[in-house]
Amino acid sequence: EDQVTQSPEALRLQEGESSSLNCSYTVSGLRGLFWYRQDPGKGPEFLFTLYSAGEEKEKERLKATLTKKESFLHITAPKPEDSATYLCAVQALGYSTLTFGKGTMLLVSP
Amino acid sequence: GAGVSQSPSNKVTEKGKDVELRCDPISGHTALYWYRQSLGQGLEFLIYFQGNSAPDKSGLPSDRFSAERTGGSVSTLTIQRTQQEDSAVYLCASLFALNTGELFFGEGSRLTVL
Repeated sequence: EDQVTQSPEALRLQEGESSSLNCSYTVSGLRGLFWYRQDPGKGPEFLFTLYSAGEEKEKERLKATLTKKESFLHITAPKPEDSATYLCAVQALGYSTLTFGKGTMLLVSP
Repeated sequence: GAGVSQSPSNKVTEKGKDVELRCDPISGHTALYWYRQSLGQGLEFLIYFQGNSAPDKSGLPSDRFSAERTGGSVSTLTIQRTQQEDSAVYLCASLFALNTGELFFGEGSRLTVL
């Protein structure tokens, strides 16, 4: 059974204070690992797809990396508008569904 | 519309009543998913439709849950004889290409069972 564990559950940062979110996963064969952002009362919004260990993707202040066991979402010099819940998900080879973690709730204070 | 549309946005019902939740995916997206998000829990997969293939119903929690997709577009999730544990946000997502994993989610239908 595929499993995704995200840590920490919640993270509070000061504006400009860089940090990382962790996503540990267990999957029979990885087709892809995905990061989503979810704002309160909204549906998740796609950020990145990573397919193989060593791959990195960047978007503005966010950078996602992938190893064979975990992924990190690095947030550089965050701003209050980066406050959201960040969700990690995996898709196994041969399957069409995504298995999601419980998310990390990020709060960035000005 | 440009995005995935879900209705109703909020539904309050009494225990034992049936409810229907509707999802209108992005035009041209052949895959459609239903997920459930409960407080403090991750997104729980319910059901998946792809084109004209038989749906993957492996995530439905009980036989009180069913879903259909008409004409390869609009989908309806039906919950019969609702229970309090069914209270959650029901999210619909559509997908254009399976190899991207880029699901486009609606804003969800919040179901409260009293």
